[in-house]
Amino acid sequence: AQTVTQSQPEMSVQEAETVTLSCTYDTSENNYYLFWYKQPPSRQMILVIRQEAYKQQNATENRFSVNFQKAAKSFSLKISDSQLGDTAMYFCAFMDTGGKLIFGQGTELSVKP
Amino acid sequence: DTEVTQTPKHLVMGMTNKKSLKCEQHMGHRAMYWYKQKAKKPPELMFVYSYEKLSINESVPSRFSPECPNSSLLNLHLHALQPEDSALYLCASSHPRDREDSGANVLTFGAGSRLTVL
Repeated sequence: AQTVTQSQPEMSVQEAETVTLSCTYDTSENNYYLFWYKQPPSRQMILVIRQEAYKQQNATENRFSVNFQKAAKSFSLKISDSQLGDTAMYFCAFMDTGGKLIFGQGTELSVKP
Repeated sequence: DTEVTQTPKHLVMGMTNKKSLKCEQHMGHRAMYWYKQKAKKPPELMFVYSYEKLSINESVPSRFSPECPNSSLLNLHLHALQPEDSALYLCASSHPRDREDSGANVLTFGAGSRLTVL
């Protein structure tokens, strides 16, 4: 069975600084998708970034980028120029070939002014 | 329309009540999902519908009964629930995995229905 592990339950960062959230996963599949979702206190789950396992190039979306290390089964999220609106719970997630989206335990990120 | 709409936003019910949660999307997605989320925990998958057919049931108790009447609607019927079933219920939709485009596999989530069972 696939598992997703986020080892940092809570993190904080000063506004305008950079923070990296860690995620590791375990799977025997070769084709899969990895995601970072953000859930603010408003509780709406929002997609931050997506990575296809067959692509070696790391995905980027504006201030958000990933470091995807397939051999190490690692998928970290870097947030540059952190903003107050980035305060949220961040979930790393894995989608298998069956279409099941499995979430890690989450990292609660606080951006401080 | 790029939203998944869930109603009601809040629901309080007794253990003998029958109620339903509703989810609607008009993005042409043919895969729809129900997740259960407890406070400070990740969402847990309950059901997946693909092309209006139930494709995944994560061993959910029969007091939860999903229904997909058409490609835009997903219901979750609730009956004889327990207090431990109190949670945020999230609906999501996506293009199914057999679709060959970059949007496949990306789930769009609704804002959830907060359920309290007394």
